[in-house]
Amino acid sequence: GAGVSQSPRYKVAKRGQDVALRCDPISGHVSLFWYQQALGQGPEFLTYFQNEAQLDKSGLPSDRFFAERPEGSVSTLKIQRTQQEDSAVYLCASSPGQRNSPLHFGNGTRLTVT
Amino acid sequence: AQSVTQPDIHITVSEGASLELRCNYSYGATPYLFWYVQSPGQGLQLLLKYFSGDTLVQGIKGFEAEFKRSQSSFNLRKPSVHWSDAAEYFCAVAFSGGYNKLIFGAGTRLAVHP
Repeated sequence: GAGVSQSPRYKVAKRGQDVALRCDPISGHVSLFWYQQALGQGPEFLTYFQNEAQLDKSGLPSDRFFAERPEGSVSTLKIQRTQQEDSAVYLCASSPGQRNSPLHFGNGTRLTVT
Repeated sequence: AQSVTQPDIHITVSEGASLELRCNYSYGATPYLFWYVQSPGQGLQLLLKYFSGDTLVQGIKGFEAEFKRSQSSFNLRKPSVHWSDAAEYFCAVAFSGGYNKLIFGAGTRLAVHP
């Protein structure tokens, strides 16, 4: 009965470094979402996958952000040349994929760029 | 554009008192509506959701919410607050014809006095 698992839990990166954040969704969940939550704010949508297809990446803030889900299960969010404004909690969520199925969120990865 | 407004950034109540957290949305059609709760360092947990039908919905932990189309509101209520309810609460809306891409409000932080 594992939930959505994210790793690492915390990541500190120097400005300019590349980072990779991992999300293990609930087994069998078709839909996978990435959200960015800045301090004191609500989560903001980044991107959406249905199986391995990235159907919506309208929320990615710049071309430094890249997400993939090559086998339709685990997903990785990669941020290249990190900037201080990238500091946030990155939340992953998955769902079975039906229209009325709620999202199940992981505990997030807190990224701090120094 | 779709948006969610939570007018109260911070609310403090006494334990045992009643609670109402406000949420207003801007959307052209009837949306799917959600309330999530987030404890420090944790992911988001679904409290309740509204898709259609009865406008008063019951959720977990004794919470309920009422959808009022005329006011574009979906306020969260609890008759008697417990100290363990202290957390951040997020209202969210999803497109009724889409894939549950959630748009979140900025959140309301609830503090509970003994």
